[in-house]
Amino acid sequence: ILNVEQSPQSLHVQEGDSTNFTCSFPSSNFYALHWYRWETAKSPEALFVMTLNGDEKKKGRISATLNTKEGYSYLYIKGSQPEDSATYLCAFRSGAGNNRKLIWGLGTSLAVNP
Amino acid sequence: EAEVAQSPRYKITEKSQAVAFWCDPISGHATLYWYRQILGQGPELLVQFQDESVVDDSQLPKDRFSAERLKGVDSTLKIQPAELGDSAMYLCASSLSDRGTEAFFGQGTRLTVV
Repeated sequence: ILNVEQSPQSLHVQEGDSTNFTCSFPSSNFYALHWYRWETAKSPEALFVMTLNGDEKKKGRISATLNTKEGYSYLYIKGSQPEDSATYLCAFRSGAGNNRKLIWGLGTSLAVNP
Repeated sequence: EAEVAQSPRYKITEKSQAVAFWCDPISGHATLYWYRQILGQGPELLVQFQDESVVDDSQLPKDRFSAERLKGVDSTLKIQPAELGDSAMYLCASSLSDRGTEAFFGQGTRLTVV
């Protein structure tokens, strides 16, 4: 059974704080790791699609790293702002066989207090 | 900017009634996904289409749920009969292909079964 775990489950930070979350996934048959941001009352928005071990991607104040050998990815937010408040989801895609299904974590819910 | 269109946004139905949701993916996107998201959990894949073919419906409760994408473009998800436990957010997403490309989500349909 493929399992994707995210930690912490929820996080409260003050505006200006930097923060990071973890996504753990199976270290075998890796194909891709996706990060999404899901704000309340909106649809999930793709942040990154990561495919190579050691990959680092950045979008504004948000960045992500990938370690496929040990099966984890970190998402970093530098200088958190209230508009960063959302649930951050990661999803793992296995390369095994024909299975291209995205396996989702439960998300990390971030609340940034002004 | 191209979007995934879903309708309706909200639906309240009585248990044992039939309900249907519609999704129009981004033009040119071959892969279409239907997800169910229960509050506090990550999205659960119900069905994945590649063009008009179902490539994964292993989590679809086939005794009451059905999905079709007849011309490989828009798609309909039906529940008959609806049960109280079906209350959830139903999200449609599309991507260019199933090969690691990011998925774009619609606004979702919030279903409440009473």
